[in-house]
Amino acid sequence: EVQLVESGGVLVQPGRSMKLSCAASGFTFSSFPMAWVRQAPTKGLEWVATISTSGGSTYYRDSVKGRFTISRDNAKSTLYLQMDSLRSEDTATYYCTTGDGYDFDYWGQGVMVTVSS
Amino acid sequence: DVVLTQSPATLSVTPGERISLSCRASESVDTYLHWYQQKPNESPRLLIKYASQSISGIPSRFSGSGSGTDFTLSINGVELEDLSIYYCQQGNSLPYTFGAGTKLELK
Repeated sequence: EVQLVESGGVLVQPGRSMKLSCAASGFTFSSFPMAWVRQAPTKGLEWVATISTSGGSTYYRDSVKGRFTISRDNAKSTLYLQMDSLRSEDTATYYCTTGDGYDFDYWGQGVMVTVSS
Repeated sequence: DVVLTQSPATLSVTPGERISLSCRASESVDTYLHWYQQKPNESPRLLIKYASQSISGIPSRFSGSGSGTDFTLSINGVELEDLSIYYCQQGNSLPYTFGAGTKLELK
């Protein structure tokens, strides 16, 4: 059974940093692209970033480019999202997802990130 | 960015009826169009991929059709457990985008 378990969410002040982790199990982690998708309170879904199987290619939405960094450790089957210079508009539930790189087949339970002073 | 417009925003349904939800793209996404269901306080779940491909474990009453810019998710015989928000998502070009969702509610 595929399991994606996010951690690291918390309350943080604007301008500060936070790192999310996603522990994966139940599938060959190194064979699948991984992604983060977020959902602001009472809002819809928004793709944030995707990383290739090797980690050699990364893709970001414009609003987080230069501030967020997606990475992975295939030996530990873990996905990361380093978030710097956080803004209030980054407040959301962040989901770790995987699929074929064009869709999102499996989702974690989500982790809440609140950016507020 | 590709804009996905879902309609209606809210649909009031009666159990047992057949319904169709629409997703229209601002430019062609070929068949790189996927549908998700999200129940309150739960993570989204993939229902249909590549416009019409069924997913293991998803009830057969869910089906999808379309290509290019116009897509439809159909539910043949709505059940109470289907009362959720449904999102479409395009994976044809970056940034990947989602529609705003269609909420199914009980009539």
